[in-house]
Amino acid sequence: DIQMTQSPSSLSASVGDRVTITCRSSQSITRYLNWYQHKVGKAPKLLIYGASGLQSGVPSRFSGSGSGTDFTLSISSLQPEDFATYYCQQSYDTPLTFGGGTKVEI
Amino acid sequence: QQQLQESGPGLVKPSETLSLTCNVSGGSIISNNYYWGWVRQPPGKGLEWIGSIYHSGTSHSNPSLKSRVTMLIDASKNHFFLRLSSVTAADTAVYYCARATGATSGFPDALDVWGHGTTVTVSS
Repeated sequence: DIQMTQSPSSLSASVGDRVTITCRSSQSITRYLNWYQHKVGKAPKLLIYGASGLQSGVPSRFSGSGSGTDFTLSISSLQPEDFATYYCQQSYDTPLTFGGGTKVEI
Repeated sequence: QQQLQESGPGLVKPSETLSLTCNVSGGSIISNNYYWGWVRQPPGKGLEWIGSIYHSGTSHSNPSLKSRVTMLIDASKNHFFLRLSSVTAADTAVYYCARATGATSGFPDALDVWGHGTTVTVSS
């Protein structure tokens, strides 16, 4: 299985801050990397597909980059509704695997 | 916009079979573009992909669960199903059904539509 490692596991930030989350895969996954936002009690939401594609309806303050084994999710100006847990997920091979999550807190 | 909704018993006894249904609304489950599948989240832990199935019956599942997992589609009712046999307390989790892109490539890709999740507890 391809292992996905996210860092940090949690971070504290303020409204308006720029936030960057890192995801590393145990082998090259080219650009088969997706990012999700998950709030407690709600369905996870796809933010970024294919490493940098912005899912329809997702605000442009979210962006993704990277290829190979190293990827980042950036939030340019953190908004109150962005406090959540973020997961990366590889789709290069099955089983699909997720990172351990990054909790973004106030 | 398609919507997914999970249903099933919230409590299952150890060694029994967990059975969940996902109802798809707002579009046909017979789509050449999507897989239909399941993800779970145990309490205090991250997300784990269980498996995904195409309307033809082709499926991919997590080897860690493969021998216990059965996925089915009922196109006439626009439903798909998960059955997980021989459950233990480790199978206690919130179970989500989710639509996956990537069918044209032959493998599930991004999970772009999710149900709200259903909590399943394994306990006697």
